[in-house]
Amino acid sequence: EVQLLESGGKLVQPGGSLRLSCAASGFSFSTYVMTWVRQAPGKGLEWVSTVSGGGGSTFYADSVKGRFSISRDNSNDTLYLQMNSLKAEDTAVYFCAKGQRGYGDYMDYWGQGTLVTVSS
Amino acid sequence: QSVVTQPPSMSGAPGQRVTISCTGSNSNIGANYDVHWYQHIPGTAPKLLISGNKNRPSGVPDRFSGSKSGTSASLAITGLQAADEADYYCQTFDISLNSVVFGGGTKLTVL
Repeated sequence: EVQLLESGGKLVQPGGSLRLSCAASGFSFSTYVMTWVRQAPGKGLEWVSTVSGGGGSTFYADSVKGRFSISRDNSNDTLYLQMNSLKAEDTAVYFCAKGQRGYGDYMDYWGQGTLVTVSS
Repeated sequence: QSVVTQPPSMSGAPGQRVTISCTGSNSNIGANYDVHWYQHIPGTAPKLLISGNKNRPSGVPDRFSGSKSGTSASLAITGLQAADEADYYCQTFDISLNSVVFGGGTKLTVL
């Protein structure tokens, strides 16, 4: 059974940093693209970032480019999102999702999400 | 504002059929990129409903079906049930943005 469990979300001040983790199990982690998607309060789903199976290729939404960094540890089946220079508009539930072999394809399993609140 | 547009809300009575549209452009859906659909009940993990325009993953009832034509795609739900009340999102890829894009989402209410 595929499972994705996000952690690390909390209240942080504007300008602060946070690292989210997503522990994966039930599939060959290194084979698949992994993605972070967020949902701000009262808003829809927004793609944030994607990393290739090997970790060598990364992609970012313009809204987070230069501030967020996605990475993965294939030896521990864990996905990360390093979030720096956080802004109020980054407040959202952050979901990790399992993709397919290529960037931009569908996401067949999602975690329950972790809440990040950026506020003073 | 998303480059892919969905109606913000729709409603239907139990047993009825509803169709949710997803309208894009020649830089995404019209550029032959696949459209995928997700069901999201707030507070839970989003669920894949349709992949590759029309393919249902194992376990998704055949009451859900997808189609695509030109720069648009649709999700049809037949035999509407109370459990179908949720937010529905389409997702595709935009070559101009070089990014994954979601539609703005459609809140489906079962009357």
